[in-house]
Amino acid sequence: ELKVEQNPLFLSMQEGKNYTIYCNYSTTSDRLYWYRQDPGKSLESLFVLLSNGAVKQEGRLMASLDTKARLSTLHITAAVHDLSATYFCAVDNNAGNMLTFGGGTRLMVKP
Amino acid sequence: DSGVTQTPKHLITATGQRVTLRCSPRSGDLSVYWYQQSLDQGLQFLIQYYNGEERAKGNILERFSAQQFPDLHSELNLSSLELGDSALYFCASSVGASGGSETQYFGPGTRLLVL
Repeated sequence: ELKVEQNPLFLSMQEGKNYTIYCNYSTTSDRLYWYRQDPGKSLESLFVLLSNGAVKQEGRLMASLDTKARLSTLHITAAVHDLSATYFCAVDNNAGNMLTFGGGTRLMVKP
Repeated sequence: DSGVTQTPKHLITATGQRVTLRCSPRSGDLSVYWYQQSLDQGLQFLIQYYNGEERAKGNILERFSAQQFPDLHSELNLSSLELGDSALYFCASSVGASGGSETQYFGPGTRLLVL
């Protein structure tokens, strides 16, 4: 059974600081997704990582994938308040039709 | 706005009752996925339909069933409801059935409260 673990579960940080969220998964997969969820809202797709070594960047967020280590990271650079949300990583079952989600990382960026 | 629509937004019902949640995928998407989000279980995949046929099944209870209609909208039926079924139910859609680089686009969700 595929298991996906994120850490930390909760992250409070000051504006302007950098931090990294980690996503570990238990079985072989080369497709990993990052989503953002604002309170009471739906999930918004951030990144799709499809191969070992994949790196994608959008604004202050950068995601990477190491399939050998079964690890993805979401790096936040110079955080701003607007990044406050819950971030989920999800791994698919290599058939592309079932996502297993991590428990989420709730990020709070303080002014 | 992802282009995926779900109705109703909120639903309050009693234990033992049956409800139907509805989802319309993005234009052109053939796959529909259902997920349940609760505080204790997190986000869990329930079931996938592709072009009217069931393609994958996750942790879906026997009391729950789904179908996808010829116009590609999908319904999730929840019966004999229990307090523990209270959750946010998301529908997502994607273009194809499996593989590739497809992103699943999520709808706004239906918040179900069972009293």
